[in-house]
Amino acid sequence: QLVQSGAEVKRPGASVRLSCKASGYTLTRNHIHWVRQAPGQGLEWMGIINPSDGGTLYAQQFQGRVTMTRDTSTGTVYMEVSRLRYEDTAIYHCARVSFQAFDIWGQGTMVTVSS
Amino acid sequence: SYELTQPPSVSVSPGQTASITCSGDKLGQRYPSWYQQKPGQSPLLVIYQDTKRPSGIPERFSGSSSGNTATLTISGTQAMDEADYYCQAWDSSAVVFGGGTKLTVL
Repeated sequence: QLVQSGAEVKRPGASVRLSCKASGYTLTRNHIHWVRQAPGQGLEWMGIINPSDGGTLYAQQFQGRVTMTRDTSTGTVYMEVSRLRYEDTAIYHCARVSFQAFDIWGQGTMVTVSS
Repeated sequence: SYELTQPPSVSVSPGQTASITCSGDKLGQRYPSWYQQKPGQSPLLVIYQDTKRPSGIPERFSGSSSGNTATLTISGTQAMDEADYYCQAWDSSAVVFGGGTKLTVL
């Protein structure tokens, strides 16, 4: 499973760092993606990290504002979102890829951007 | 940019067959997958690589594709199948989701 960090409340302009810890399997064997879902909205892909070598690819709309990293010693991946806006209020999920699909999802982290 | 189009809603009577479509350029070549999401829960993979069903997913869920359209079919739909369903495909190394379809069982 993937276990994510707890809910966050941030001011506009701030940054938030979310974590996603792999449990029951070796993190470096599968790519991890981040997907967010604004309240009442659909799924939005944010990017991918290869935990084996740290390589990343970000969706165009998040380039320059999102950074994904990993710590292989703890089996954890991180995503930092900077310059938060009200519209970044969403549930953020990490998900594991296997056979070109997301077979395991984290429980999600609610991020609220509010002044 | 690549886009996937789903109908916003589909209704079905219990015991009948529900079909949810997803359209996109050459979708059948992009390893389409389908996810079920119930309120307050994370998405659950129900179909991957177009037609394959993960362990634990009931046989009433099936997937198919032809050209630019992928279809999720739920045979003998049950009340517990009421949920949002999302298709997903690959655009090179990036991922695209459809807008989601709300399945109502009534």
